[in-house]
Amino acid sequence: KNEVEQSPQNLTAQEGEFITINCSYSVGISALHWLQQHPGGGIVSLFMLSSGKKKHGRLIATINIQEKHSSLHITASHPRDSAVYICAVVNTGTASKLTFGTGTRLQVTL
Amino acid sequence: NAGVMQNPRHLVRRRGQEARLRCSPMKGHSHVYWYRQLPEEGLKFMVYLQKENIIDESGMPKERFSAEFPKEGPSILRIQQVVRGDSAAYFCASSPGQGSYTFGSGTRLTVV
Repeated sequence: KNEVEQSPQNLTAQEGEFITINCSYSVGISALHWLQQHPGGGIVSLFMLSSGKKKHGRLIATINIQEKHSSLHITASHPRDSAVYICAVVNTGTASKLTFGTGTRLQVTL
Repeated sequence: NAGVMQNPRHLVRRRGQEARLRCSPMKGHSHVYWYRQLPEEGLKFMVYLQKENIIDESGMPKERFSAEFPKEGPSILRIQQVVRGDSAAYFCASSPGQGSYTFGSGTRLTVV
């Protein structure tokens, strides 16, 4: 079983829909990251969380440390949001290296 | 302030050749991480370096792979005697040490 599990693996939405991507982890962590990767492209860091909630534009990320769960929400989705969204954690005591989920592939259509 | 610079973006090598991947971290970042993304798989940690030191190489294959981050110049990931299974995207990330990361655009290695 992976230490970091994401759901769903694939997600198709229509423009304007509210989107939620979930991440569960089974280890103690010091931080959780949400990353975005476009096909054939680089990786962009969206959020780093250790507690609570963060918002940036149409993106919102939340984390519940007790439940070992995080969510990434996209409001008013747009085709340009189509990408792979990756959850990654920093295991406690591992010198900040990241352990990644397998990603959620999001396709937003017109 | 340039981001993390990786070069080359694309690299093609024949089996048995050497591949050298370079990563220049962001200015002020002294921590460098290398990650590998195999086709249709997730990202996996390879190695964590600080200037002139390898801190954690637990994700590096035991043979043919090496990494360095010299006092001057970029971090280098070297793969000797490449095989088809080394074909992947290799990403570098740098950090100032407080947990935030900046990723490079990756080097896509194809072994033919």
